[in-house]
Amino acid sequence: EVQLVESGGGLVQPGTSLRLSCAASGFRFDDYGMHWVRQAPGKGLEWVAGISWNSGSIFYADSVKGRFTISRDNAKNSLFLQLNSLRLEDTAMYYCAKGVWNSYLQDWGQGTPVIVSS
Amino acid sequence: DTQMTQSPSTLSASVGDRVTMTCRASQSISSWLAWYQQKPGQAPKLLIYKASHLETGVPSRFSGSGSGTEFTLTISSLQPDDFATYYCLQYNSYSWTFGQGTKVEIK
Repeated sequence: EVQLVESGGGLVQPGTSLRLSCAASGFRFDDYGMHWVRQAPGKGLEWVAGISWNSGSIFYADSVKGRFTISRDNAKNSLFLQLNSLRLEDTAMYYCAKGVWNSYLQDWGQGTPVIVSS
Repeated sequence: DTQMTQSPSTLSASVGDRVTMTCRASQSISSWLAWYQQKPGQAPKLLIYKASHLETGVPSRFSGSGSGTEFTLTISSLQPDDFATYYCLQYNSYSWTFGQGTKVEIK
């Protein structure tokens, strides 16, 4: 059974940093692309970033480019998202998701909340 | 970047109704479209991929159609478990964009 478990969320002040993690199990991690998707309270889904199976291909949404960094450690079956220079509008539930690279997102974790507030 | 527009934003329907919602792309995405269902407090769940392919385990009352720029998700006979928000996702050429969602509520 595929399992994706996010962690690392919390309450932070504007301008600070946070590192999210996603622990994967139940599938061959290095066969799949991985993504982060966020959802602000009461709002829709927003794709944030994606990384190919070997980290050779990485893409970001314009809203986070230059501030967020996606990475993965295939030896540890883990996905990461480094969030820098956080803004109030980055407040959201952050989901990790798995999919064949350059394709749809098939499986999702339950999310970790990030609250940016002064 | 490809923009996705879903309509309607909210849809009121009764159990047993046939329900259809639409997703339009700002440029052609061939058949690179998926549909997700999300209930409050839960992660999204994949229903349809490649515009019309039903994900394993998803009830056959769900169906998808379309190609190019216009796509539809149809629920043939709405069940109590189907009241939720539905999102489309385009995944064309290393680009991923969600529509803003269609909420299906009880009439």
